[in-house]
Amino acid sequence: GNSVTQMEGPVTLSEEAFLTINCTYTATGYPSLFWYVQYPGEGLQLLLKATKADDKGSNKGFEATYRKETTSFHLEKGSVQVSDSAVYFCALQGAQKLVFGQGTRLTINP
Amino acid sequence: GAGVSQSPRYKVAKRGQDVALRCDPISGHVSLFWYQQALGQGPEFLTYFQNEAQLDKSGLPSDRFFAERPEGSVSTLKIQRTQQEDSAVYLCASSSSSGTQQFFGPGTRLTVL
Repeated sequence: GNSVTQMEGPVTLSEEAFLTINCTYTATGYPSLFWYVQYPGEGLQLLLKATKADDKGSNKGFEATYRKETTSFHLEKGSVQVSDSAVYFCALQGAQKLVFGQGTRLTINP
Repeated sequence: GAGVSQSPRYKVAKRGQDVALRCDPISGHVSLFWYQQALGQGPEFLTYFQNEAQLDKSGLPSDRFFAERPEGSVSTLKIQRTQQEDSAVYLCASSSSSGTQQFFGPGTRLTVL
């Protein structure tokens, strides 16, 4: 079945550092890929998505590229801010339902 | 409202009690999903409705879990004879049609003592 594996956390960085959170997937067919973010005390929000191979999703300075050859969708940001502290979830959508990774807690220190 | 709403936001139940969790999707959204998120884990799919039809219930963990959406709008997730392992956050999401972006509610945190 479909599955998502995320880089284990927690991850702690200093402000303005470069961020990478790794995500790989196993799926039949050609799923859509997503990154969701959960800020403290808030619900899940879509951060970015990509629907086909080589697509790049981007939002709020975050980027991820759909890599079919390596079955990966790594999240990157060039310069993180304290306000980026949250839990990040990689997910795929094959048919209707979303399949999530276990989440990576990110803490950014000033 | 503008987003997906869920009630109650917090529920404490004694083991063996029945609980009912409500989801109000975004108006006009035909698809509705329920997910279960255990502490420190990612959400896991429970069930999916398109209008009033329950098209996929493969994620429901046992026959104690039951979901309905009788008029194709509000949905209720019912858990009978709750067990401690049912403690989790229950998330509801809706989308305007199949395969499009899912919008999540704030969740209901269920604690079974």
